[in-house]
Amino acid sequence: GAGVSQSPSNKVTEKGKDVELRCDPISGHTALYWYRQSLGQGLEFLIYFQGNSAPDKSGLPSDRFSAERTGGSVSTLTIQRTQQEDSAVYLCASSLQGIGGNTIYFGEGSWLTVV
Amino acid sequence: QKEVEQDPGPLSVPEGAIVSLNCTYSNSAFQYFMWYRQYSRKGPELLMYTYSSGNKEDGRFTAQVDKSSKYISLFIRDSQPSDSATYLCATPPGVQGAQKLVFGQGTRLTINP
Repeated sequence: GAGVSQSPSNKVTEKGKDVELRCDPISGHTALYWYRQSLGQGLEFLIYFQGNSAPDKSGLPSDRFSAERTGGSVSTLTIQRTQQEDSAVYLCASSLQGIGGNTIYFGEGSWLTVV
Repeated sequence: QKEVEQDPGPLSVPEGAIVSLNCTYSNSAFQYFMWYRQYSRKGPELLMYTYSSGNKEDGRFTAQVDKSSKYISLFIRDSQPSDSATYLCATPPGVQGAQKLVFGQGTRLTINP
């Protein structure tokens, strides 16, 4: 079956431009997560969506980052006025419900390079 | 202090060797522990999931949790070149209902034929 799908897989953008990264979770999964992985670093939590509940935005590093999830399915992570330190792999994941015995499935990531 | 610490390696061993990968964590309230495997330019995939202290075995892989020392380990027996990947330990923070995973830095492992 289809896994978590992310697009674009690679994005090179100029400093100061806005970027949008898209995530299509596994069908039926109510929980959706965004993580960031910088070179040689572990995964850093950004944001979590669960059903119709208010998202947990506690990991967003600045107000230049925002995310939305429309219709409980597809999610978009937006980075405004990109900076070079935003260069990283942005990983989306989904699970049937939240963490607590439910396997989290990751997409292959969107590789963002800010030049 | 980071909530989860992991030696980033890299670690290089010959094929067939037993590999030991380790993490320490800071909060004794952490209860669940996972090991993820991440191949180059791929997303992490869940390898093992443990709850209590002790060992959990799955084929060539054994996950071990020592809550008294806040230490978790992943052992790979009869290592294969296909095991070459980055291995990440992770845990949900010990707050009930917390819905994020905290990851170690990841250990890059290479198995040499």
